[in-house]
Amino acid sequence: EPEVTQTPSHQVTQMGQEVILRCVPISNHLYFYWYRQILGQKVEFLVSFYNNEISEKSEIFDDQFSVERPDGSNFTLKIRSTKLEDSAMYFCASSAISGNTIYFGEGSWLTVV
Amino acid sequence: GENVEQHPSTLSVQEGDSAVIKCTYSDSASNYFPWYKQELGKGPQLIIDIRSNVGEKKDQRIAVTLNKTAKHFSLHITETQPEDSAVYFCAASRGGTASKLTFGTGTRLQVTL
Repeated sequence: EPEVTQTPSHQVTQMGQEVILRCVPISNHLYFYWYRQILGQKVEFLVSFYNNEISEKSEIFDDQFSVERPDGSNFTLKIRSTKLEDSAMYFCASSAISGNTIYFGEGSWLTVV
Repeated sequence: GENVEQHPSTLSVQEGDSAVIKCTYSDSASNYFPWYKQELGKGPQLIIDIRSNVGEKKDQRIAVTLNKTAKHFSLHITETQPEDSAVYFCAASRGGTASKLTFGTGTRLQVTL
């Protein structure tokens, strides 16, 4: 069964450093998302991406965050200058059709120290 | 924006019994309601979903009911098994271009022998 793959599975970074989380969405999907989950809390929407541009973003997705689809297969989330409160599990997701089933990856656990 | 409430936060049932998890939502424009199962350290896995043009959907031991008038939907798991133990999240979405999911706070289900 096709799946969303994410790398790295776990990253530890120092506060203020830049981090790039990578995702390979399911191959025929057109809509891409990043969500995050702080330990023990619910999953929160960060950003959606379609046709090479951001469709929607949440309040969490401030100027420190950016997304990119650099090569037609990867979808990346960059955090420019990490803060302690950015520590969370970040999930990439994709869907084939707008409003259709969204499939999640296994997540990238980011720890900012 | 959308707000999704989920109850209970924890649920313990004996193997073979049924489990019911309930969610309410606030946005009357929401029309897509998936349920995800999350095992420890993994990404959310879709187990069943329902759209607002139907009131009930069943898939083997899992069923979901939707009451659009009251803005609530429920997950029913019958004949529970130890492997059903996980955190379950409900979510709601309006549909449309790159529609985002708003998640509930999660229910930790424990199925005991």
